[in-house]
Amino acid sequence: QVQLVESGGGVVQPGRSLRLSCAASGFTFSNYGMHWVRQAPGKGLEWVAVISYDGSNKYYEDSVKGRFTISRDNSENKLYLQMNSLRAEDTAVYYCAKNTPPDPAGGLDVWGQGTTVTVSS
Amino acid sequence: QSVLTQPPSASGTPGQRVTISCSGSSSNIGYNYVFWYQQLPGTAPKLLIYSNNQRPSGVPDRFSGSKSGTSASLAISGLRSEDEADYYCAAWDDSLSGSYVFGTGTKVTVL
Repeated sequence: QVQLVESGGGVVQPGRSLRLSCAASGFTFSNYGMHWVRQAPGKGLEWVAVISYDGSNKYYEDSVKGRFTISRDNSENKLYLQMNSLRAEDTAVYYCAKNTPPDPAGGLDVWGQGTTVTVSS
Repeated sequence: QSVLTQPPSASGTPGQRVTISCSGSSSNIGYNYVFWYQQLPGTAPKLLIYSNNQRPSGVPDRFSGSKSGTSASLAISGLRSEDEADYYCAAWDDSLSGSYVFGTGTKVTVL
């Protein structure tokens, strides 16, 4: 079945780095744009970044620009989020999600279960 | 800080109709598709409406979406207890370098 599984979350000190992964299965990964969306404790959804189906286009939310990098490996069916210079306000559950056309402005029709990132000293 | 504004809460009794509004601007709702997501407690969001008013397979026809100008709305008719959840609108925003924006979210309570 169509599935996304995130991993790589954990507790990290402010200023340090973390790399999230998202393993895709059950669909042709290389055909779809992919998003990262986060949700801080008790808060609403916040979009983080999107990458086009072939990795050629990337867009970021303003607060993560220059700190986070989205990437993908279509040969491995994996999506990544490299997070550097982490701040307390980056604490959240991070979801990866599959985009439906049009790319990158479509609906997010498949979501992972989320991985928790806690930034604390 | 979200650029799509929703009421924080909405409620109704079983069987009633509930409507949630989503207010945006010409750079997002005005020129792009609107999507609606349902998030049940403790779970990942689920796509409820795509392309303004289309329902994915498996979504009951009690849920409907509409868009007019720079605003959109989600209607839930025949409200059921399992509809108690958070609902978010979303759209692509063409301002600056482009971004996907979510609404502020609406908590629906079934009384």
